Amino acid sequence: KNEVEQSPQNLTAQEGEFITINCSYSVGISALHWLQQHPGGGIVSLFMLSSGKKKHGRLIATINIQEKHSSLHITASHPRDSAVYICAAHSGGGADGLTFGKGTHLIIQP
Amino acid sequence: EAGVVQSPRYKIIEKKQPVAFWCNPISGHNTLYWYRQNLGQGPELLIRYENEEAVDDSQLPKDRFSAERLKGVDSTLKIQPAELGDSAVYLCASSYLRGGPVIEQYFGPGTRLTVT
Repeated sequence: KNEVEQSPQNLTAQEGEFITINCSYSVGISALHWLQQHPGGGIVSLFMLSSGKKKHGRLIATINIQEKHSSLHITASHPRDSAVYICAAHSGGGADGLTFGKGTHLIIQP
Repeated sequence: EAGVVQSPRYKIIEKKQPVAFWCNPISGHNTLYWYRQNLGQGPELLIRYENEEAVDDSQLPKDRFSAERLKGVDSTLKIQPAELGDSAVYLCASSYLRGGPVIEQYFGPGTRLTVT
């Protein structure tokens, strides 16, 4: 079974700061997902990547398959970025369920 | 396009009572997942359906939990009887399996269950 670890668990930063959230996993994967969860529970998929780097607006996700490590970066952070960010590993193929990390609770203060 | 719909959004029940959650996936999605998320934890898969068939229910506590997806569209997850430890957010997700290596899952807003 894949073990997915995230760090830090909690992060408080000032508006405008560059944010990095890390994710490591124990077993080779077919893809890694970064998800955002706001209070109330709903989850939104930010990225799904299996190699290299993806960018969407102020969000950047990178993955190093050899090191079994991924990072999510937020540039020019804003209070509306405050949420829980979860990485999830897709170890199997096709429609297999995801293995989730515990999440990083991010608070951006104005 | 409508997203994954779940109801109710919140439910408070006393222990030993039954409870049911409903999920309607994105139209055309043949794969449906139920996840449970305990406070401060990531979600954990309970059951996965491909069409109306439960293809992975290894983590579903079958003594008290049951699920169905009779027509391969919407799904119901039931707990009977509920225990205090069942308090959690129950998330439904759906995806469309095309036979490719990886597919994206789309999540509903979740049902927050509190058992008192």
